[in-house]
Amino acid sequence: KNEVEQSPQNLTAQEGEFITINCSYSVGISALHWLQQHPGGGIVSLFMLSSGKKKHGRLIATINIQEKHSSLHITASHPRDSAVYICAVSRGSGGSNYKLTFGKGTLLTVNP
Amino acid sequence: EADIYQTPRYLVIGTGKKITLECSQTMGHDKMYWYQQDPGMELHLIHYSYGVNSTEKGDLSSESTVSRIRTEHFPLTLESARPSHTSQYLCASSEFSGGGADTQYFGPGTRLTVL
Repeated sequence: KNEVEQSPQNLTAQEGEFITINCSYSVGISALHWLQQHPGGGIVSLFMLSSGKKKHGRLIATINIQEKHSSLHITASHPRDSAVYICAVSRGSGGSNYKLTFGKGTLLTVNP
Repeated sequence: EADIYQTPRYLVIGTGKKITLECSQTMGHDKMYWYQQDPGMELHLIHYSYGVNSTEKGDLSSESTVSRIRTEHFPLTLESARPSHTSQYLCASSEFSGGGADTQYFGPGTRLTVL
């Protein structure tokens, strides 16, 4: 079993729908990251959070440390949101908290 | 906006050839990383560097080697490519941004195919 599990693996939505992607982890972490990977490979960091909730535009990320669970929400989804969304966790502290453990990603397709 | 570059973007090469994948960043980051990603699978760390002349192997065993002679440059070398090395290789660099961990910035990746 992976230390970082995402669900669903694949998600198809209609433009305008509210989308939720979930991430559960089984290890102690210093932070959780949400990343976006477009076809062609480039990865962009969306959020890094260690508690509570962060919002950027139509994207919202939440984390529950006690339940070891995070969600990424997309409001008013658009076809340009189609990408693979990856959850990753930073482990360790001090000098070793830069190492990331990745989930397998959620492939989101938003149809017009 | 992150400035991290990888060349080539795509490489098709025969078995036994020596290859070097280039990665450069202009942000002055001390930490740099190489990840390997097979289709549909998660990224795995294969090498990382704390700074100049500091390199260590990652969690996934790899036959590749790396060097860090300059802060901005972190090339990865395969002495003798094999079909099992076919994969996507992603380079990243990071800086501590508070909040408990580094924010990592990724290059566009090199898709390697070994025939």
